[in-house]
Amino acid sequence: GDSVTQMEGPVTLSEEAFLTINCTYTATGYPSLFWYVQYPGEGLQLLLKATKADDKGSNKGFEATYRKETTSFHLEKGSVQVSDSAVYFCALLGQGAQKLVFGQGTRLTINP
Amino acid sequence: DTEVTQTPKHLVMGMTNKKSLKCEQHMGHRAMYWYKQKAKKPPELMFVYSYEKLSINESVPSRFSPECPNSSLLNLHLHALQPEDSALYLCASSQDSGGQSETQYFGPGTRLLVL
Repeated sequence: GDSVTQMEGPVTLSEEAFLTINCTYTATGYPSLFWYVQYPGEGLQLLLKATKADDKGSNKGFEATYRKETTSFHLEKGSVQVSDSAVYFCALLGQGAQKLVFGQGTRLTINP
Repeated sequence: DTEVTQTPKHLVMGMTNKKSLKCEQHMGHRAMYWYKQKAKKPPELMFVYSYEKLSINESVPSRFSPECPNSSLLNLHLHALQPEDSALYLCASSQDSGGQSETQYFGPGTRLLVL
């Protein structure tokens, strides 16, 4: 079945550091890929998405590129802020499917 | 506007109580979802309603009873819950147009504590 593997956390960085959170997937066909962010005590917010190979999703300085050849969707940000501290979930949605498949989540802490 | 609202924000209930969680969206979405999220874990799908009909039930115990009164509302009725049912309950919605990219938009969740 479909699956998502995220780099294990927690990840701790200093403000203005470069961020990469790795995400790889296994799926048949052409899934859509998502990054969701969950701030403490809140629900999930869609951060960005990509629906086909080589698409780049971007939002709030975060970017991720759908790489079919490496089955990856790594999240990057050039300069993180304290306010980026949250849990980040990589997820996929198979073609015609309704069930999101989530990675385990990566807890990110940014220190001033 | 991509807002999904959920009430209540917090709920404490005993094992003999009956309570309901409510979810609402006004984006014209025709698919609505209930997820359960335990601490430090990803959300787990419980139910999916598509055009107000139950389309997916992920083998959820019968003490959880979903209801979709109309295309904008989704309820989750709770009865005789166990302490291990304590979790964050998330509602989500999507267009359900049958297209490739059915982005799910989540509400803020209801944090449930069963005593």
